[in-house]
Amino acid sequence: QVQLVESGGGVVQPGRSLRLSCAASGFSFTDYGMHWVRQAPGKGLEWVALISYDGRDENYADSVKGRFIISRDNSKNTLFLQMNTLRAEDTAVYYCAKVTFYYDSSGYSGLDYWGQGALVTVSS
Amino acid sequence: QTVVTQEPSLTVSPGGTVTLTCASSTGAVSSGSFPNWFQQKPGQAPRAVIYSTSNKHSWTPARFSGSLLGGKAALTVSGVLPEDEAEYYCLLYSGGAFVFGTGTKVTVL
Repeated sequence: QVQLVESGGGVVQPGRSLRLSCAASGFSFTDYGMHWVRQAPGKGLEWVALISYDGRDENYADSVKGRFIISRDNSKNTLFLQMNTLRAEDTAVYYCAKVTFYYDSSGYSGLDYWGQGALVTVSS
Repeated sequence: QTVVTQEPSLTVSPGGTVTLTCASSTGAVSSGSFPNWFQQKPGQAPRAVIYSTSNKHSWTPARFSGSLLGGKAALTVSGVLPEDEAEYYCLLYSGGAFVFGTGTKVTVL
């Protein structure tokens, strides 16, 4: 069965960096694009970034563009989110999610499977 | 910056029908926005319900359906069950990015 397990969350000071990982199993990771989505405490969902199945294409929300970098290691079935220059408003649970259709580089087919999330708290 | 708006809350009786909508600040929602719908219960990760306007995932119960209605994306739940009580979010593709809706809290009472 499909499993997505996030790790790397924690408490970090404003202006510092943190890297999240998402370990994937149960499907052919190299064939699917992947998303990061976040949810601030008590708030709604916010899309963060998308990477294509082959890692060639990346898209970001305006709120994180220039600060966050999405990447993947297909040899290790792992997705990453490098978060730099963190701000208090980046405090959230971060979810990784799989694109529904294989070889869908633009993510049009949406998100099907989600991880359980990793909490990132940005505070001094 | 696209804003996607949903009803803040809706209440439905068990066995009844409820329709949630999803509107875009940029104009009418079309199939080209590839609307998705997600269900989220307290303390849980979101669960996908509908993709590309009206397509169900393998786990989506038959009582859930998606459509376009009056320039908006819509999610209809027919024969509502108590376990359908949750927050529901739509997601639209807009100009190379994705935007979640504001969310609708559905109460089954």
